Amino acid sequence: TQLLEQSPQFLSIQEGENLTVYCNSSSVFSSLQWYRQEPGEGPVLLVTVVTGGEVKKLKRLTFQFGDARKDSSLHITAAQPGDTGLYLCAGALMSGGSNYKLTFGKGTLLTVNP
Amino acid sequence: NAGVTQTPKFRVLKTGQSMTLLCAQDMNHEYMYWYRQDPGMGLRLIHYSVGEGTTAKGEVPDGYNVSRLKKQNFLLGLESAAPSQTSVYFCASSYFSPWANEKLFFGSGTQLSVL
Repeated sequence: TQLLEQSPQFLSIQEGENLTVYCNSSSVFSSLQWYRQEPGEGPVLLVTVVTGGEVKKLKRLTFQFGDARKDSSLHITAAQPGDTGLYLCAGALMSGGSNYKLTFGKGTLLTVNP
Repeated sequence: NAGVTQTPKFRVLKTGQSMTLLCAQDMNHEYMYWYRQDPGMGLRLIHYSVGEGTTAKGEVPDGYNVSRLKKQNFLLGLESAAPSQTSVYFCASSYFSPWANEKLFFGSGTQLSVL
């Protein structure tokens, strides 16, 4: 069972279009991170959202954490070919003690065509 | 800064062979992790370490062993490689636990094929 479901799995759009990708779960997360991974490289952190309802902007990228801290979305305005990559969400689960638990979704592979 | 460095970048093994993947970080991070990434499966945690001399199992630890003898290095060993271990392996590090909203720094990966 996948704890974090990302959708869509694949997305191919033209330069200049807008898009939204989603990260959903039935679990409550203490925080959620979004990473972007380019071919042949490791993931690189884009943003961390912590508070329910929080919205963060990074240039043309807007990240939102759901009010109940169970879901998140990434919206890209006027996509550029440089936005091409695998977008991964990762949630830190609320749990007691010092147990580490960071769960990744399977990712959304975005291709922006010139 | 080099950040997180993984060696080797590519490796082909025959079933039953052993090998060690090396991860080195120069950021004085306490936490280090080994993930594997497979198509359609996402990133899955193999083992992790919360400090020098410590190791702990992640989601998919079977068939792997790890050691953290020095704070800056985290080694992943395959004692008897199997085709199911064909994957891209990523090492990551962080200063605090991701539980504390700390970001992970990833290496560029090792592509391993087991024939």
